[in-house]
Amino acid sequence: EPEVTQTPSHQVTQMGQEVILRCVPISNHLYFYWYRQILGQKVEFLVSFYNNEISEKSEIFDDQFSVERPDGSNFTLKIRSTKLEDSAMYFCASINYRGSDTQYFGPGTRLTVL
Amino acid sequence: QKEVEQNSGPLSVPEGAIASLNCTYSDRVSQSFFWYRQYSGKSPELIMSIYSNGDKEDGRFTAQLNKASQYVSLLIRDSQPSDSATYLCAVLGNTDKLIFGTGTRLQVFP
Repeated sequence: EPEVTQTPSHQVTQMGQEVILRCVPISNHLYFYWYRQILGQKVEFLVSFYNNEISEKSEIFDDQFSVERPDGSNFTLKIRSTKLEDSAMYFCASINYRGSDTQYFGPGTRLTVL
Repeated sequence: QKEVEQNSGPLSVPEGAIASLNCTYSDRVSQSFFWYRQYSGKSPELIMSIYSNGDKEDGRFTAQLNKASQYVSLLIRDSQPSDSATYLCAVLGNTDKLIFGTGTRLQVFP
């Protein structure tokens, strides 16, 4: 069964550094999402992406965040200058068409900002 | 602010019992409802989806939806220790972002 994959599984960085989290969505999927989950808290929507554009973003997704689909397979989340409060699990998800009932989640990247 | 509310638990049930997990949501235009299971340190895994009022059964799992009461529940029959996890209720509204509750931690003891 096709899966969403994410790399790295764990990223440790110093405050103020830039990080790029990578996702490879399921190959025929067209809509992509990033969610994050701070330890002990709920899963929160960050951004959705379709047709090389952001469809929707939450108030968490400020100017420090950006997303990109640099080629036909990868979907990336960049945090320009990390803060301590960016420490969280980041999950990528994808669906093949809008209205599809199942968002398939990747295994996540644990980001630790020191 | 669109909210999804769950009791954080833990809900402790003996092996073989029925576990009942509940969720309420605030946005009346919500159309799709999901239960995800999340083991510690892992990503959410879809257990059930439900769209219409009533019950939907899949193996040991039954999802129940009452749109008038804005209430979704998940029943797990014959609970097993391997069912011990956090169960996340999620709602899809008129956009395609999932709104999650905080989750209910279920503990099934032998």
